[in-house]
Amino acid sequence: GNSVTQMEGPVTLSEEAFLTINCTYTATGYPSLFWYVQYPGEGLQLLLKATKADDKGSNKGFEATYRKETTSFHLEKGSVQVSDSAVYFCALRSAGGTSYGKLTFGQGTILTVHP
Amino acid sequence: GAVVSQHPSRVICKSGTSVKIECRSLDFQATTMFWYRQFPKQSLMLMATSNEGSKATYEQGVEKDKFLINHASLTLSTLTVTSAHPEDSSFYICSAAGLAGIGYEQYFGPGTRLTVT
Repeated sequence: GNSVTQMEGPVTLSEEAFLTINCTYTATGYPSLFWYVQYPGEGLQLLLKATKADDKGSNKGFEATYRKETTSFHLEKGSVQVSDSAVYFCALRSAGGTSYGKLTFGQGTILTVHP
Repeated sequence: GAVVSQHPSRVICKSGTSVKIECRSLDFQATTMFWYRQFPKQSLMLMATSNEGSKATYEQGVEKDKFLINHASLTLSTLTVTSAHPEDSSFYICSAAGLAGIGYEQYFGPGTRLTVT
């Protein structure tokens, strides 16, 4: 079955530091890949996505590239802000079959950014 | 666009009572809605998938008689936790997916915090 593995957190950084959160996946076919962000007490917000190999998703300074050869979708940001403190989830969506449309989530990575 | 709301945002109920949580897509028609459960500091666990006008499809290990899901219209799905017990306390999140220009992306509601005393 499908699975998503994220680097374990929590991750603590100082403002303006570089961020990388690793994400690797296992899936059949050609899934779509997502990063979601969850702020305390809230639901999930789509941060970025990529639907095919070598696609780069980007939003709000975050970016991630769909690497099929390494089955990875690492999240990066060049300079984090305190407001980026949240939980980040990597997810994949099945391409077809009976699991069509379902999202499989990684375990989430807590990011804390200090001033 | 693509806004999903949930009501209530927080609910406290006594053990043995039932609680209904609503999930609404405000500006699009959701052909499919998903219900998730999230334990503290953990990932989201898919409970069930519901298509408008059809019976929900439950994930393995989820009791369908305890977690009743109704998707009667293209903009509303409800989750009813029947005979709630303290172990049902959790954060419940719905998402809605549909066509009409927004592809098949899932848009998430803000979640409902259920506490069973």
